[in-house]
Amino acid sequence: EDQVTQSPEALRLQEGESSSLNCSYTVSGLRGLFWYRQDPGKGPEFLFTLYSAGEEKEKERLKATLTKKESFLHITAPKPEDSATYLCAVQVTGNQFYFGTGTSLTVIP
Amino acid sequence: EPEVTQTPSHQVTQMGQEVILRCVPISNHLYFYWYRQILGQKVEFLVSFYNNEISEKSEIFDDQFSVERPDGSNFTLKIRSTKLEDSAMYFCASSEAVGDYNEQFFGPGTRLTVL
Repeated sequence: EDQVTQSPEALRLQEGESSSLNCSYTVSGLRGLFWYRQDPGKGPEFLFTLYSAGEEKEKERLKATLTKKESFLHITAPKPEDSATYLCAVQVTGNQFYFGTGTSLTVIP
Repeated sequence: EPEVTQTPSHQVTQMGQEVILRCVPISNHLYFYWYRQILGQKVEFLVSFYNNEISEKSEIFDDQFSVERPDGSNFTLKIRSTKLEDSAMYFCASSEAVGDYNEQFFGPGTRLTVL
């Protein structure tokens, strides 16, 4: 069965304290791995797509990396406005998507 | 900036009633999706739609669900006979392509409450 697991479930950081979020997956036929940000009461907002092991993408304070079994979202010197739930999703053969349960990030000023 | 819109923002219905949730995808997008998120749980894929037909559907998307693109702009999700467990946030998403470039843009969601 295809599985996507995110850790930790919740993370509290001081402003400026860098950290990483993890997304591990066991799927067959991976076509892509996606990171989204979700604010309370809103739809997910696209951040990154990664397609092959070794790939990295950056956007402002965020950097996503991919291996054959997991992906990391690194947050460098976070700010309070980075507080949100970060979701990982995988696209498998065909056009189906599986999401993880997310990591709730709180950045304290 | 183009965006996906959804109506209504909140729908309350009685168990057994039919509901139609509406979405207007981004105009040049070709792939459309419905997801649901039960409160406190993960986002779950329901269905993807391309070229006026379903391309993939999950186990959740049973005979009670249907999707339609009735005109050039709207994309709807119909639940024929709602159950209490259908209460969730329903998100519509669209993308320009699939495969090498598949950034999905999500709408703000419709909160469905079944009483």
